[in-house]
Amino acid sequence: DIQLTQSPSSLSASIGDRVTITCRASQYIGNFLNWCQLKPGEAPRLLIYAASNLQSGVPSRFSGSGSGTDFTLTISSLQPEDFATYYCQQSFTTPFTFGPGTKVDV
Amino acid sequence: QVQLQESGPGLVKPSQTLSLTCSVSGASMSSGGFYWSWVRHLPGKGLEWIGHMFYGGSTDYNPSLESRVAISAGTSKNQFSLKLNSVTAADTALYFCARKRPNDAFDLWGQGTFVTVSS
Repeated sequence: DIQLTQSPSSLSASIGDRVTITCRASQYIGNFLNWCQLKPGEAPRLLIYAASNLQSGVPSRFSGSGSGTDFTLTISSLQPEDFATYYCQQSFTTPFTFGPGTKVDV
Repeated sequence: QVQLQESGPGLVKPSQTLSLTCSVSGASMSSGGFYWSWVRHLPGKGLEWIGHMFYGGSTDYNPSLESRVAISAGTSKNQFSLKLNSVTAADTALYFCARKRPNDAFDLWGQGTFVTVSS
């Protein structure tokens, strides 16, 4: 299975901060890397697909970059609704796998 | 607007079968070429892909669960189901159904339903 690691595992930030989360794959996955946001009691939300494409309806403060094995999710200016846990996920091959998550809190 | 909603028992006894249904509204499951999936969030651990079905066609499962899992079209139109047999406490989790685009991401998710395995 392809293993995904994320760093940091958690971070504390303030409104307006620039936040960067990294994801590393255990082998080459091209650009088959996606980012989603989870909040308790809510449906998970796809933010970025194919490494750098913004999902429809997602604010432009979210961006993604990377290819191969190293990827980054950036929130350019953190908003109150962005406090959540973020997961990377690879769709290069089955079994599809997720990173362990990065919790963003105050 | 397409929405997914999980339903099923919140408590299952060890060794029995966990059965969940996902109801899809706002679009037909038979169109669009999507993969209809199940993912679970294990407490204190991460997200785990369980498997998916392609409507009217194939299924694919996580090898870690393949011997115990089945995903199929539901008894009602625009539903699909998950069956996981011989459950143990390790199967206690928040279970999500999700829609996956071909060669791409899980773009729509249900809110999830928590299933506890306990006697």
